[in-house]
Amino acid sequence: DIQMTQSPASLSASLEEIVTITCQASQDIGNWLAWYQQKPGKSPQLLIHSATSLADGIPSRFSGSRSGTQYSLKISRLQVEDTGIYYCLQRYSNPWTFGGGTKLELK
Amino acid sequence: QVQLKESGPGLVQPSQTLSLTCTVSGFSLTSNSVHWVRQPPGKGLEWVGAIWSGGSTDYNSALKSRLSISRDTSKSQVFLKMNSLQTEDTAIYFCTRSGAVAKGWFAYWGQGTLVTVSS
Repeated sequence: DIQMTQSPASLSASLEEIVTITCQASQDIGNWLAWYQQKPGKSPQLLIHSATSLADGIPSRFSGSRSGTQYSLKISRLQVEDTGIYYCLQRYSNPWTFGGGTKLELK
Repeated sequence: QVQLKESGPGLVQPSQTLSLTCTVSGFSLTSNSVHWVRQPPGKGLEWVGAIWSGGSTDYNSALKSRLSISRDTSKSQVFLKMNSLQTEDTAIYFCTRSGAVAKGWFAYWGQGTLVTVSS
């Protein structure tokens, strides 16, 4: 199975700050990666797909990038509504696997 | 609009079989795949399996021996059956579908249904 190692596990940042979350894949997965945000008691919401493509309706302050097998989600100017837990997902091979999650809070 | 809604028993006894239903609207099961994802309380997400538009299935290898996913296209329903349930199967179970633009990626989600495995 492909392991997705997500870091950090938790993060506290200030309003307007730049935030970066990373996922390291245990092998090459190409651009078969997505990022999700989940708020308490809610279903996950797709933010980024295919490593770098912004999902419909998602603010442009969210962006995704790739360097080899390391993937990053960047929030350019943190807003109050961006708090929650973020997950990466790979669908390069079965079983599709999620990262362990990053809990993002406001400082 | 696209909607998915999970339903199920809520409480299942250990060693028994779980049966969940995902009722969809706004799209056809013969044109879209539906996946199941679960989340133990307070923990991360796990992909469970999928039924593809043509009716074939894929399962998480860790669950494959206990899992079956099927559908009734006339009723717009997808079914998950998992046997030999253990306490570790306690989770919120979501059904999800890919987006029209974000093809293959989970863009539409149900609200989830909590399944507790306990005697």
